[in-house]
This record gives sequence, C-alpha cells and structure tokens, in this order.
Amino acid sequence: DTAVSQTPKYLVTQMGNDKSIKCEQNLGHDTMYWYKQDSKKFLKIMFSYNNKELIINETVPNRFSPKSPDKAHLNLHINSLELGDSAVYFCASSRGDRRETQYFGPGTRLLVL
Amino acid sequence: AQTVTQSQPEMSVQEAETVTLSCTYDTSENNYYLFWYKQPPSRQMILVIRQEAYKQQNATENRFSVNFQKAAKSFSLKISDSQLGDTAMYFCAFMKSGGSNYKLTFGKGTLLTVNP
Repeated sequence: DTAVSQTPKYLVTQMGNDKSIKCEQNLGHDTMYWYKQDSKKFLKIMFSYNNKELIINETVPNRFSPKSPDKAHLNLHINSLELGDSAVYFCASSRGDRRETQYFGPGTRLLVL
Repeated sequence: AQTVTQSQPEMSVQEAETVTLSCTYDTSENNYYLFWYKQPPSRQMILVIRQEAYKQQNATENRFSVNFQKAAKSFSLKISDSQLGDTAMYFCAFMKSGGSNYKLTFGKGTLLTVNP
C-alpha cells in the first residue's frame, strides 16, 4: 500500500494550459505539503495545509492554487502554465504531533513545452 | 531566514569505504531539527536520519551517523561500509521547532556515487 500517492507521475503539457496534480495519503496524517524541485534539484516548500486550513504559503505565483477537500487529499492546480513551471512536484504529509517527520510521495514530473 | 549549505556538489567513494558529506546551516533559532534525506534515481525522497538540536548525542541509523556541532552550526553525514545502493543525491535539511510553520529548508544537495 502506498502511503503518499500522487497522480499523475508524469505530465507533459503546452504553455498556457491549466493542469492539476492530485495527492492522497492513507497514513491518517492531518498536515500535508507541496514542495517544488527545480531542474537543478533544489527543493523548496510551496504550501502546507493542516486540517484543510492553509498554514504555509511561500512566495508562489497565484497561478498555483492548492485545494484540500479533506485531510487525506491535497491537490495542486496550476493555471496558465509557463516554461518555468517545469519541475518535479512532491507532496508530503505528517502527523499533527510529529510534524517534523514528513513522508514524501513519489513526485510528479511536469514538463511544459 | 534559515539557510542550509552543502559545499560538495558531487562526491564519490569506493564500495565498502567510508564517506562524509558536509552540511552547514545558519539560524538564530535555538530549537530545531536537522535531517538528511536521500534521493536515489527513482526520485523518491527517503529520510535517512534526524537530529533534534537539544540532543547532544549524535544520531545513528545503522551505517549512517551524523556529527552534529551546534556551536559551529555543522551537521555532517557519515556513511560507513558504503554500498552500491547508497548512490543517490543527499539533501541536508533544517526545520524550526514549534509554532505552526513546519517547513523543511533544504540544501542544494550532494550527488554521491558509490563505485564497485
């Protein structure tokens, strides 16, 4: 059983399109995160949700909108995709009383042409 | 703001030997966590080891151990008896303790190659 899963694993799309990446965790965690890993492998936090409430929102363009329908899901919607959005996007989750231990999903490689 | 620096972009080691990866960080916080994550070619992020700043004892996990020097803000990872499966990118990461902002701040990574 996959603890943190992401769909799709790969996404190739054209500039200007809108796309979504889905994340689900079956660990019973109440905090979920989105990280972006750029072409130089640098990882940076984008968003974090706790019990469906946004608690971290780094300096991310407002074309990126996270949505948490319930504690087990955190989706990332990206409008008007740009070439610079090409990256690997990782979802992660953690337990409320052990937020320092984050479990990562397998990542979604997004390529914008 | 916290910063994490990994000064070795790439390293290589022979199988069965020992290698040490360096990490320094900058913070004004007193309570925090430090981590080493491994990212093999499969892309999966795997937690290797974790250290709480208030603990003086260095963390160990089987062949992996750290040298945590709080005053020097240094957190190196030692891999003993290196195996081919240790080939991966290794990321050092920092997390402030307390509050609601449990975000990981990563270094730029060190690509470790274990040679047969």
